[in-house]
Amino acid sequence: RKEVEQDPGPFNVPEGATVAFNCTYSNSASQSFFWYRQDCRKEPKLLMSVYSSGNEDGRFTAQLNRASQYISLLIRDSKLSDSATYLCVVAWGAGNNRKLIWGLGTSLAVNP
Amino acid sequence: GAVVSQHPSWVICKSGTSVKIECRSLDFQATTMFWYRQFPKQSLMLMATSNEGSKATYEQGVEKDKFLINHASLTLSTLTVTSAHPEDSSFYICSARDYRNLADTQYFGPGTRLTVL
Repeated sequence: RKEVEQDPGPFNVPEGATVAFNCTYSNSASQSFFWYRQDCRKEPKLLMSVYSSGNEDGRFTAQLNRASQYISLLIRDSKLSDSATYLCVVAWGAGNNRKLIWGLGTSLAVNP
Repeated sequence: GAVVSQHPSWVICKSGTSVKIECRSLDFQATTMFWYRQFPKQSLMLMATSNEGSKATYEQGVEKDKFLINHASLTLSTLTVTSAHPEDSSFYICSARDYRNLADTQYFGPGTRLTVL
């Protein structure tokens, strides 16, 4: 089983749609969780951290389910500019052994 | 704030030559920098973790003699791809962690696209 798994998609949705991505992780000792966004041929950019209580930033909502070991990202009212690859990132370990494990990403295409 | 630059942004070289990529944190000090590689349609793969003033820690399967990392100051790390071959063609991205920030936030450079002919 991969350490971090995502459905690669692509997800094709119309403008204004609501879309949700899930990401599962294998290490129950994982401590921090993030969603990054990566545009084609660009570096990843932090979209949001994911907290146990869930968190929302505008149209984006992230949730964590430790019992089932998955995190989710919900995008409401999709915009054309949301088209990108969304990367799930999980961190574990401490000190110099701290590791960020990246998922393969989920591709989203928002269509007019 | 928290800007990371990389140079060059792209490079094309002949097989057998060495290529040096620089990663700089412009407005903060980075005790730790990370080097990633990303092949088309694949995820970011961590190659090595670079700590200022000490030897880099390489991930399994990454040849330390081929990918030389130097982190001589708190704002600069370099990756040298020695004797590059076509299979080394990839997108190389560095990231840096602010030494004051104990969380996992990493700030990424814009990446360097390497093409080896």
